[in-house]
Amino acid sequence: AQSVTQLGSHVSVSEGALVLLRCNYSSSVPPYLFWYVQYPNQGLQLLLKYTTGATLVKGINGFEAEFKKSETSFHLTKPSAHMSDAAEYFCAVRPAKAAGNKLTFGGGTRVLVKP
Amino acid sequence: DTGVSQNPRHKITKRGQNVTFRCDPISEHNRLYWYRQTLGQGPEFLTYFQNEAQLEKSRLLSDRFSAERPKGSFSTLEIQRTEQGDSAMYLCASSLTGTGNSPLHFGNGTRLTVT
Repeated sequence: AQSVTQLGSHVSVSEGALVLLRCNYSSSVPPYLFWYVQYPNQGLQLLLKYTTGATLVKGINGFEAEFKKSETSFHLTKPSAHMSDAAEYFCAVRPAKAAGNKLTFGGGTRVLVKP
Repeated sequence: DTGVSQNPRHKITKRGQNVTFRCDPISEHNRLYWYRQTLGQGPEFLTYFQNEAQLEKSRLLSDRFSAERPKGSFSTLEIQRTEQGDSAMYLCASSLTGTGNSPLHFGNGTRLTVT
């Protein structure tokens, strides 16, 4: 079984400041990891994913995340926050060898960007 | 790629009524997923299809819930005898079959309110 923990249900950052969203996972087998963003009253949009290879992955909108197996983490960062980054962010995991593409999501972190 | 389409966007119903939601996936995607998202929570898996076959159902999917994908294209999710606890956003997603790293593409969801 796998699970995802996102530390901090709300994060407030100033425009131009670093955005850091934490995600830790539990998986009995090597996982695939994903970050999604959700704007109000919309579905989820893929930001980036880690499957194999380079542990630092870059996504859309200037976001990146680093897979650290020893820490079972996949934290999401962006060097400089923009007002348009205000949204809810979800980390998700899927066992690499599992049948089906079913994702297990964390509880989400809502980001507020202050001008 | 026209994206995943869900209808209706909003549904208000009285307790005890039946409701049906529709999802049209991305045309070349053979996997289709239903998730439920309550306020302030991450999406929770309900069920998924590969073509017309329903391959997995969550324990969250009570007997009042039924999903179909009769021709392997669009899908419907029906909730019978709705309860207030069914109020949530119902998200549909689709993906390609493959190595498991194919991301899920989400629709904008159907928000159900049971009064």
